[in-house]
Amino acid sequence: NAGVTQTPKFRVLKTGQSMTLLCAQDMNHEYMYWYRQDPGMGLRLIHYSVGEGTTAKGEVPDGYNVSRLKKQNFLLGLESAAPSQTSVYFCASRATSGRGYEQYFGPGTRLTVT
Amino acid sequence: GDSVTQMEGPVTLSEEAFLTINCTYTATGYPSLFWYVQYPGEGLQLLLKATKADDKGSNKGFEATYRKETTSFHLEKGSVQVSDSAVYFCALRMDSSYKLIFGSGTRLLVRP
Repeated sequence: NAGVTQTPKFRVLKTGQSMTLLCAQDMNHEYMYWYRQDPGMGLRLIHYSVGEGTTAKGEVPDGYNVSRLKKQNFLLGLESAAPSQTSVYFCASRATSGRGYEQYFGPGTRLTVT
Repeated sequence: GDSVTQMEGPVTLSEEAFLTINCTYTATGYPSLFWYVQYPGEGLQLLLKATKADDKGSNKGFEATYRKETTSFHLEKGSVQVSDSAVYFCALRMDSSYKLIFGSGTRLLVRP
């Protein structure tokens, strides 16, 4: 099992450019999440999905869109990148709604917007 | 709303010292509690968890006890190693929620 993988690992964008971050999991998990991590702020939830074809907003959804067309993939899109979106982005997945089930995290994507 | 508060870092210790990282939470019910660890350049990994009051989670020499009366889940280790240098995140999740709520993280640096 590869677990949770993210593509790409690093990216530099100019302001106004667009890009898509790909998250893939091979654990047949229902729930998937996108977080951003900024210094001193921990992880903040951007969007999440509770199953194929579903998406929902998290704490900081503005400027991002997501899609979950296949159960194993969760895409995060930036339509018009801004310097405030410079961050490290983590994807995570979880099996079910049972108490105590953990989230599994990908290795992260470091994005710089200039 | 529900929240997690962790002690500010960085925490700098010598090898074999005793570690405590404080974590307290605010929640309207009885959450599950987690400690995640992030090594440099990597994603987060679950370190330990507890799902009900008085449960003790343990892994790799780390322990944390779910204290309902003090709404705390402090992380402890009796003798830290250089390889424990990382950022540690406390988190909670309510049964009714799909989401983890994270603290801001505490950086631990262990010197030889």
